[in-house]
Amino acid sequence: EAGVTQSPTHLIKTRGQQATLRCSPISGHTSVYWYQQALGLGLQFLLWYDEGEERNRGNFPPRFSGRQFPNYSSELNVNALELEDSALYLCASSLVPRAADTQYFGPGTRLTVL
Amino acid sequence: AQTVTQSQPEMSVQEAETVTLSCTYDTSESDYYLFWYKQPPSRQMILVIRQEAYKQQNATENRFSVNFQKAAKSFSLKISDSQLGDAAMYFCAYGLEEGSQGNLIFGKGTKLSVKP
Repeated sequence: EAGVTQSPTHLIKTRGQQATLRCSPISGHTSVYWYQQALGLGLQFLLWYDEGEERNRGNFPPRFSGRQFPNYSSELNVNALELEDSALYLCASSLVPRAADTQYFGPGTRLTVL
Repeated sequence: AQTVTQSQPEMSVQEAETVTLSCTYDTSESDYYLFWYKQPPSRQMILVIRQEAYKQQNATENRFSVNFQKAAKSFSLKISDSQLGDAAMYFCAYGLEEGSQGNLIFGKGTKLSVKP
């Protein structure tokens, strides 16, 4: 069974541009979570989608947004990129929409903002 | 708000020895889950072990076991017979049983080195 996949692996943008990151969950999983992993800060929760709806978002500005498609894949958009947005962005999926269920992570997208 | 603290940024262990990674958390909830995730240098996070707060028995998975102290809000990970492949970042995480907070809350991680 295929795991969580993310694309692209690496993304280089300049300040002020927009970035789009994509995630495909494990087949059958309806919940998708996005986390930002900046150096030395651990994982910070960004967004949670389930059944096409945004269920919760972390303490990030509105320029971080996303959506979930009918096939449960998800997209994270970051507008007006800033240097501090440089980080590894991890996507995770779970079968059941609650934190008690195990979340399975993708390999991440490394975003570099120059 | 719930928080997770890992007080050891880096740890080192000799191959075949035992090491314990510390994690404390703060919550006013009674029903929750705790996790240890491993992130090897290749970046893919994988689940190591999972503990339900309502269970008094400590979870074990082969060489990995936890010491869960609910009253003290402590959740340490013990790795026995350490292997070179155990070298990774280890993250402690907390998740609520129910509610709108479906996300996990992570500590900042402990980097484990294994010496041959």
